[in-house]
Amino acid sequence: DAGVTQSPTHLIKTRGQQVTLRCSPKSGHDTVSWYQQALGQGPQFIFQYYEEEERQRGNFPDRFSGHQFPNYSSELNVNALLLGDSALYLCASSSGWGGGQPQHFGDGTRLSIL
Amino acid sequence: AQKVTQAQTEISVVEKEDVTLDCVYETRDTTYYLFWYKQPPSGELVFLIRRNSFDEQNEISGRYSWNFQKSTSSFNFTITASQVVDSAVYFCALTLRDDKIIFGKGTRLHILP
Repeated sequence: DAGVTQSPTHLIKTRGQQVTLRCSPKSGHDTVSWYQQALGQGPQFIFQYYEEEERQRGNFPDRFSGHQFPNYSSELNVNALLLGDSALYLCASSSGWGGGQPQHFGDGTRLSIL
Repeated sequence: AQKVTQAQTEISVVEKEDVTLDCVYETRDTTYYLFWYKQPPSGELVFLIRRNSFDEQNEISGRYSWNFQKSTSSFNFTITASQVVDSAVYFCALTLRDDKIIFGKGTRLHILP
């Protein structure tokens, strides 16, 4: 039973570039959420996708966008990268939307901006 | 607004000691869910427990126990007879029915051999 998988594991970019991170949810899950975790901090909610639509969004600028595909996998895109975007990006999946279902997390993508 | 406070930034205890991690939450909603997650050095967040706001029953799972008290808006986590493998960062989290999880800043737990 595959858990949540994320790719790539690590990524190095420079300021102003664009990046795409990918996530495959746990088998049987249809909801995907993305979080940003800065060093020494708790994860911060970016947005959540269910039925290929963005259902919830945290306090992140429009430079952060996403997509969910019919197979429930998801992408996180960040444009015009800033030094402050350096963080661990976590993807989480759950079953259904609403109801406070536990979210299962992947290992994350560590993004470094030079 | 919702908020989760973990006042203990870092705790160190000697192996086999008991340790309690504190969590205080804020919300005006009557329906909410509380979670604890463990983040070992590898980075993956591991789900430990979920409680809903209507169930104040305490829970025990092996060496882990959780004390949920709505009167004090607290959801504390106790590890009994701690082991070195318990060393990790532990996050308390809150979500409403929209599933947007709000995490505390975490407590880094060191279990010393």
